[in-house]
Amino acid sequence: DIQMTQSPSSLSASVGDRVTITCRASQGIRNDLGWYQQKSGKAPKRLIYGASHLQIEVPSRFSGSGSGTEFTLTISSLQPEDFATYYCLQHNGYPPTFGQGTKVEIK
Amino acid sequence: QVQLVESGGGVVQPGGSLRLSCAASGFTFNTYGMHWVRQAPGRGLEWVAFISYDGSNKNYADSVKGRFTISRDNSKNTLYLQMNSLRAEDTAIYYCAKDITNFAVVTYYFDYWGQGSLVTVSS
Repeated sequence: DIQMTQSPSSLSASVGDRVTITCRASQGIRNDLGWYQQKSGKAPKRLIYGASHLQIEVPSRFSGSGSGTEFTLTISSLQPEDFATYYCLQHNGYPPTFGQGTKVEIK
Repeated sequence: QVQLVESGGGVVQPGGSLRLSCAASGFTFNTYGMHWVRQAPGRGLEWVAFISYDGSNKNYADSVKGRFTISRDNSKNTLYLQMNSLRAEDTAIYYCAKDITNFAVVTYYFDYWGQGSLVTVSS
């Protein structure tokens, strides 16, 4: 199975901060990577597909980049509603696998 | 809008069985592959099973192969997960999720998720 390693596992940030989360794949996955946001007690919500394509309902402060083995999710200006756990998903290799999550907390 | 509503979760003893259902609406159910994804308490996400749009193709995670069966009834817009020989490590919230692509193409990218159904395996 392809291992997905997210870093950091958690971070503290303030409203307005720029936040970057990294996801590394144990082998190349082209751009077959998605990002999800999960708030406490809720289902994951889609953010990005194809490594960099924003889902239509997602605010433009979110962006994704990368290809191959290294990917990033950036929130350009953190908003109160962005405090959540973020997961990456690779769907190039079978089975699909998730990163372990990055919890974004209020500083 | 797309809605996925799971039901059927509960508490079951080790070795027992449970069947989850997922009622779908807001999209053409019989043209999309569907998945089950689970999340153990306080843990990350794990893909469990996939079924193609017409039910002809099914795939399972190694951790559930031989114990879980995914199925669908396109006349009822409903997805199922039959779980047998349950173990403590199967305790999790089970989400049904829609694949982003339709018909014979499967992407294993999940664009819509249900709210989840909690399964607790405990004596």
